[in-house]
Amino acid sequence: DTEVTQTPKHLVMGMTNKKSLKCEQHMGHRAMYWYKQKAKKPPELMFVYSYEKLSINESVPSRFSPECPNSSLLNLHLHALQPEDSALYLCASSLVDQGTVNTEAFFGQGTRLTVV
Amino acid sequence: GESVGLHLPTLSVQEGDNSIINCAYSNSASDYFIWYKQESGKGPQFIIDIRSNMDKRQGQRVTVLLNKTVKHLSLQIAATQPGDSAVYFCAENNPGSARQLTFGSGTQLTVLP
Repeated sequence: DTEVTQTPKHLVMGMTNKKSLKCEQHMGHRAMYWYKQKAKKPPELMFVYSYEKLSINESVPSRFSPECPNSSLLNLHLHALQPEDSALYLCASSLVDQGTVNTEAFFGQGTRLTVV
Repeated sequence: GESVGLHLPTLSVQEGDNSIINCAYSNSASDYFIWYKQESGKGPQFIIDIRSNMDKRQGQRVTVLLNKTVKHLSLQIAATQPGDSAVYFCAENNPGSARQLTFGSGTQLTVLP
């Protein structure tokens, strides 16, 4: 299994809603990532988890709250988002933290988020 | 600041021709590079990687060339097929930086029939 699975594929939420994005991998990877991608732009790193601990937060607003319940799961909790937060949210995983060892990251298909 | 960038935002090639997608990087400390392919509505898909101790690496129909002297990376696709139409991103990794993978701006490859 070389897949990173993200749910839901699409999400529309109001600015007062609370929702969560989910990511799962069963490759035994110990590093997991959240990226944000706007249309026609490259992915931008948001968070890095290494061995279930948050290792990098790229100055992301607190309305985005990541959680890593175990080595296979990664969540992104959303609250009080703004319309400009609409984007494709990508989850990725790698064997270990790329800050430690050069290794490829595998990406999920993303969640297309629209904030209305 | 240092960044990874691409020379051309769009590239159109005839089906069956070879494609060359270029990427310039400015961080001399980067020692690992990846090419990703992203089709519309999908996540980036790993194509090929190369470490800085190599100049060339070949995969199935793809070749990556690394020129450290001029900080240039290229992806060559042989016998381009319609299914190769996508946005291609190069990404660099500087293990000494907390930034992890840094993506270039991307090139849209369109394969013409």
